[in-house]
Amino acid sequence: EADIYQTPRYLVIGTGKKITLECSQTMGHDKMYWYQQDPGMELHLIHYSYGVNSTEKGDLSSESTVSRIRTEHFPLTLESARPSHTSQYLCASSIRQSTDTQYFGPGTRLTVL
Amino acid sequence: EDQVTQSPEALRLQEGESSSLNCSYTVSGLRGLFWYRQDPGKGPEFLFTLYSAGEEKEKERLKATLTKKESFLHITAPKPEDSATYLCAVQGSGGYNKLIFGAGTRLAVHP
Repeated sequence: EADIYQTPRYLVIGTGKKITLECSQTMGHDKMYWYQQDPGMELHLIHYSYGVNSTEKGDLSSESTVSRIRTEHFPLTLESARPSHTSQYLCASSIRQSTDTQYFGPGTRLTVL
Repeated sequence: EDQVTQSPEALRLQEGESSSLNCSYTVSGLRGLFWYRQDPGKGPEFLFTLYSAGEEKEKERLKATLTKKESFLHITAPKPEDSATYLCAVQGSGGYNKLIFGAGTRLAVHP
């Protein structure tokens, strides 16, 4: 059973605001990920991390940034939100091994007006 | 290029009516094929990992099978609580162990 948490679950904000989406896991997993998912569409990887102080961009270009200062915490920040950022953001984590099953949090649904 | 295609896009079943969902894939060096269940507004919930052709895994009314080109998720005597979107993903040997997801099959089971 996965223990991975995301806050807030829902967020409605105005254009130009800075936001941080929080993600925490209590499983001690080395690897963490951020995905973006629009309704009825595939999940697309936007950021990932292999461990503390390690962050990389994924396949889908994103204006967001991430940090990994602690193993259990992987926040995502948008410096200036725009309506095009409206989407569902999903955080996941996995054990570092050759085939890693990723466990997902409940997601944050972001709406930018 | 690694790719996953799921069919059908949507499936409506009567309670007790068994069926199968398909996941076709192309990947360089399959490391694993994953099935997830996703309820509306929630994150994907892990169901199965399959590693090699011929492998099968079961959980309650669900059974996942794998060949070299596709995977099937068989649903036996489904119940309304099985209604969800079922996602398939593959992990290849290239890159950074990323998962490539399909768009999913939306399953609705009616009483």
